[in-house]
Amino acid sequence: AQTVTQSQPEMSVQEAETVTLSCTYDTSENNYYLFWYKQPPSRQMILVIRQEAYKQQNATENRFSVNFQKAAKSFSLKISDSQLGDTAMYFCAFIIPWGFGNEKLTFGTGTRLTIIP
Amino acid sequence: GAVVSQHPSWVICKSGTSVKIECRSLDFQATTMFWYRQFPKQSLMLMATSNEGSKATYEQGVEKDKFLINHASLTLSTLTVTSAHPEDSSFYICSATRDRDEQYFGPGTRLTVT
Repeated sequence: AQTVTQSQPEMSVQEAETVTLSCTYDTSENNYYLFWYKQPPSRQMILVIRQEAYKQQNATENRFSVNFQKAAKSFSLKISDSQLGDTAMYFCAFIIPWGFGNEKLTFGTGTRLTIIP
Repeated sequence: GAVVSQHPSWVICKSGTSVKIECRSLDFQATTMFWYRQFPKQSLMLMATSNEGSKATYEQGVEKDKFLINHASLTLSTLTVTSAHPEDSSFYICSATRDRDEQYFGPGTRLTVT
């Protein structure tokens, strides 16, 4: 069974600073996808960034980047120049793409990030 | 593109009544739709997976007679909470897949059972 662990229940950082959220996962599969989702107070789930396990290059999306360490099964999210709008719950998630389209996401327990003005 | 809507966004019902929540993919045909439940300050818990024209696959511990799922078309899935009780009060989220195993999430429905 796949598991996703987020060891930081809550974090806070000053506006404009950089923050890193941790995520580890466990699987015996070699091909999988990893995601970071953001859930702001509106509770709408928003995809922040995606990483395919077969890609060695770390994914980046503007101020968001990941540090993907496949051997260590680690997938951390770095937010640079943090903004007040980054305040949200962040979930790390994992999926094995069998190709049927009905594969389930496995979510971590989340990290509540607060950006302090 | 890839917008998923849910209706209603918030519903209050009396104990013992049933309530239906709709999930629609607005600009794509969804191969699969998923229903999640989320308690305050907790993660998403998958309740069931549904494909158009097929019976839903429920996760262990989820009562299929309690939470009826109908996937009538490639753009619409409904979740009916039957004989709702206060413990069913929660935030219900649906998602839909189009391709590349990416799930697009609806905005959620807050259910309050009094």
